[in-house]
Amino acid sequence: KNEVEQSPQNLTAQEGEFITINCSYSVGISALHWLQQHPGGGIVSLFMLSSGKKKHGRLIATINIQEKHSSLHITASHPRDSAVYICAVDGGATNKLIFGTGTLLAVQP
Amino acid sequence: GAGVSQTPSNKVTEKGKYVELRCDPISGHTALYWYRQSLGQGPEFLIYFQGTGAADDSGLPNDRFFAVRPEGSVSTLKIQRTERGDSAVYLCASSQTSGAIDTGELFFGEGSRLTVL
Repeated sequence: KNEVEQSPQNLTAQEGEFITINCSYSVGISALHWLQQHPGGGIVSLFMLSSGKKKHGRLIATINIQEKHSSLHITASHPRDSAVYICAVDGGATNKLIFGTGTLLAVQP
Repeated sequence: GAGVSQTPSNKVTEKGKYVELRCDPISGHTALYWYRQSLGQGPEFLIYFQGTGAADDSGLPNDRFFAVRPEGSVSTLKIQRTERGDSAVYLCASSQTSGAIDTGELFFGEGSRLTVL
């Protein structure tokens, strides 16, 4: 069993839908990162959080430390949101990250 | 520079050759990371530097892999006697500090795609 599990692995949505991607982890962490990777492109950091909730535009990330679970929400999804979304955890405040395998999101117009 | 720069973007080499991959981090970022991403997989940690020193090199797969950051800015990942299994995208990232919640946001380069024939 991987230390970081994401679900679903693949997700297809219609434009405008509310999207949730889940991440569960089994190790103690200092922070959790949500990252976005477009096909053939680099990785962009979306959120780094250690508690509670953060919001940037249409993106919301939440974390429950007791349950070792985080969710990434996308409101009013758009085809340009299509990408791989990756959850990664930092066990020791070093940014030596353990990555999940990613969720491939396709938003159809 | 404005972002993390990696060169070359693509490198094709033959089995047994020596390869160097370069990373130029964001100016002022003290922490620099190398990750490797194989096809269809999530990135895996290789090594990270705090300043000039390698703070953790536990992810380097074997002694064919070596990385340096002599002046605390640019880093070079060196791979000797390349093997086909080394084929992957090598990602570099930097952060202002190494993991503190307010200053630890990671900035990634576009990666160097290495293909060993």
